[in-house]
Amino acid sequence: DVKVTQSSRYLVKRTGEKVFLECVQDMDHENMFWYRQDPGLGLRLIYFSYDVKMKEKGDIPEGYSVSREKKERFSLILESASTNQTSMYLCASSPGTSGYNEQFFGPGTRLTVL
Amino acid sequence: GIQVEQSPPDLILQEGANSTLRCNFSDSVNNLQWFHQNPWGQLINLFYIPSGTKQNGRLSATTVATERYSLLYISSSQTTDSGVYFCAVNNNAGNMLTFGGGTRLMVKP
Repeated sequence: DVKVTQSSRYLVKRTGEKVFLECVQDMDHENMFWYRQDPGLGLRLIYFSYDVKMKEKGDIPEGYSVSREKKERFSLILESASTNQTSMYLCASSPGTSGYNEQFFGPGTRLTVL
Repeated sequence: GIQVEQSPPDLILQEGANSTLRCNFSDSVNNLQWFHQNPWGQLINLFYIPSGTKQNGRLSATTVATERYSLLYISSSQTTDSGVYFCAVNNNAGNMLTFGGGTRLMVKP
């Protein structure tokens, strides 16, 4: 079974702190994604990566950066956390194989910025 | 970009009842997935179904790609089926998913 893990289920940070959210997948997937989920706004893509050291902006990249130094790990970085970044963050991965690209999600991290 | 609409937005069922959830999308797709989001927030994969029909236990799904819709059937519903059901699609080489707004299902005992 595909397993996607995230470093924390719950996280509380203060405004201005630098925050790292880590995601690891164990299925040698090429693609990895970060989404955030907010009531009334649904799930929105922040960034994605289709290879090591490669990254592409999604729909709402402002205030975020990402890092993918190893194939299995994709990190989301909040350089200076703000209260409007309080949200549920979901990481996903997919094989990247042409014709088959099912995405699998981690358990999510509920981030609160005070 | 592609638009994804789900209906109904909310659904209340008595345990044992059957239901049909619908997902309409505005363009041709490479991928369509159905998810169940449990009370803890995790998205559970139900079906990967860009076209055709699949069944898994009490759940089944049909995607009619030419008419741009997909249906999720839940039979003999149980309280553990409660939660939010999402349809998500992609139609681009980047494999990014666009999610519908979800159907919130409550199954009462």
